[in-house]
Amino acid sequence: DGGITQSPKYLFRKEGQNVTLSCEQNLNHDAMYWYRQDPGQGLRLIYYSQIVNDFQKGDIAEGYSVSREKKESFPLTVTSAQKNPTAFYLCASREQGAPEQFFGPGTRLTVL
Amino acid sequence: AQSVSQHNHHVILSEAASLELGCNYSYGGTVNLFWYVQYPGQHLQLLLKYFSGDPLVKGIKGFEAEFIKSKFSFNLRKPSVQWSDTAEYFCAVNGMNTGFQKLVFGTGTRLLVSP
Repeated sequence: DGGITQSPKYLFRKEGQNVTLSCEQNLNHDAMYWYRQDPGQGLRLIYYSQIVNDFQKGDIAEGYSVSREKKESFPLTVTSAQKNPTAFYLCASREQGAPEQFFGPGTRLTVL
Repeated sequence: AQSVSQHNHHVILSEAASLELGCNYSYGGTVNLFWYVQYPGQHLQLLLKYFSGDPLVKGIKGFEAEFIKSKFSFNLRKPSVQWSDTAEYFCAVNGMNTGFQKLVFGTGTRLLVSP
């Protein structure tokens, strides 16, 4: 069953702690993306990667970090430097040469 | 920079009413246009897309959208909504200026269809 998986579905962390969100895809897509969704603000791009071992900052990269060591995996770390980390985080992937992106189920992060 | 505007933030309709959700974008070059839908508790799903050709595109579940280049618009329509269409709808665009790599989303429209 092909698709994008994100785990966990819900995540709670204390303020000041770093937390890593998982994103895995078995679609053999080259490009992967991380978005943040906040009520009334739509989706905003955090980071994206078009190929293994390469990634670029999106529009709101401050306080986040990523890695792309494997084609199928693109974990996102929310660091303690992110001032407002509580949000719904969505991972997406895209096939090389195709414009549309496909989304995972999301992780809702709550920082207490 | 590209931007996408969705002017209707909340829409409430009765079943069988017609739907039109507005979407305008700012980029003047070649674009790809998308409507995504997020049903309660579900993944963000692609509803329909426009790349080129016929400006009237049809998607899943009876939805359609019309690309009007002169108006920079890509409005979503459905002749008769159902209760199951209750969801949040996002318009998105990617442009040649980013090599079609990055999607820019509108702020979304929450649709509530009452039975």
